[in-house]
Amino acid sequence: AQSVTQPDIHITVSEGASLELRCNYSYGATPYLFWYVQSPGQGLQLLLKYFSGDTLVQGIKGFEAEFKRSQSSFNLRKPSVHWSDAAEYFCAVAWYSSASKIIFGSGTRLSIRP
Amino acid sequence: NAGVTQTPKFQVLKTGQSMTLQCAQDMNHNSMYWYRQDPGMGLRLIYYSASEGTTDKGEVPNGYNVSRLNKREFSLRLESAAPSQTSVYFCASSETRSTNEKLFFGSGTQLSVL
Repeated sequence: AQSVTQPDIHITVSEGASLELRCNYSYGATPYLFWYVQSPGQGLQLLLKYFSGDTLVQGIKGFEAEFKRSQSSFNLRKPSVHWSDAAEYFCAVAWYSSASKIIFGSGTRLSIRP
Repeated sequence: NAGVTQTPKFQVLKTGQSMTLQCAQDMNHNSMYWYRQDPGMGLRLIYYSASEGTTDKGEVPNGYNVSRLNKREFSLRLESAAPSQTSVYFCASSETRSTNEKLFFGSGTQLSVL
């Protein structure tokens, strides 16, 4: 079955430290891949997406993600986090070209230590 | 630029009561979606409307109905609320139903069913 896994429920990092949030997906075909961020009390906002081409994609707010086919992963990274990055992050995947087929992971809550 | 507007932001219902969640977008988008967000489960699609005049079931449609009133508005109705429908509800829109298009989310409705 098609699924998306975010193995880390909650991560705390110090301000200025680097960040990596993990995302793995099942199923063999190359999917469409997304990362969304949800700030407290807000809706989700798209950080970045991968459809094809260069496997390292740049997004907004200094985030990047790398698609690794061999590991079925699409991990989100940021070299130096800011207190404003505290939020919940969702990986999302679609194996078809319809947005109605997007599957969201369960999310990773990021806390920033001053 | 308002984007996607949802009302109400909070609602408490008793089991068996009915209510309608309202959603409107001012971006002239064709496609609109209703999701529910539950702890540890990410977002799950309830219903979507690929274009004005059409609606389709998503992953968890039972207990809900929708109406695409016009291109701007997409409402979600709970005819007889149940405690299992306690959740945060998000409306989203996109220019088309293609996965290539970015989803824009409202800020959510927190619903409690007692």
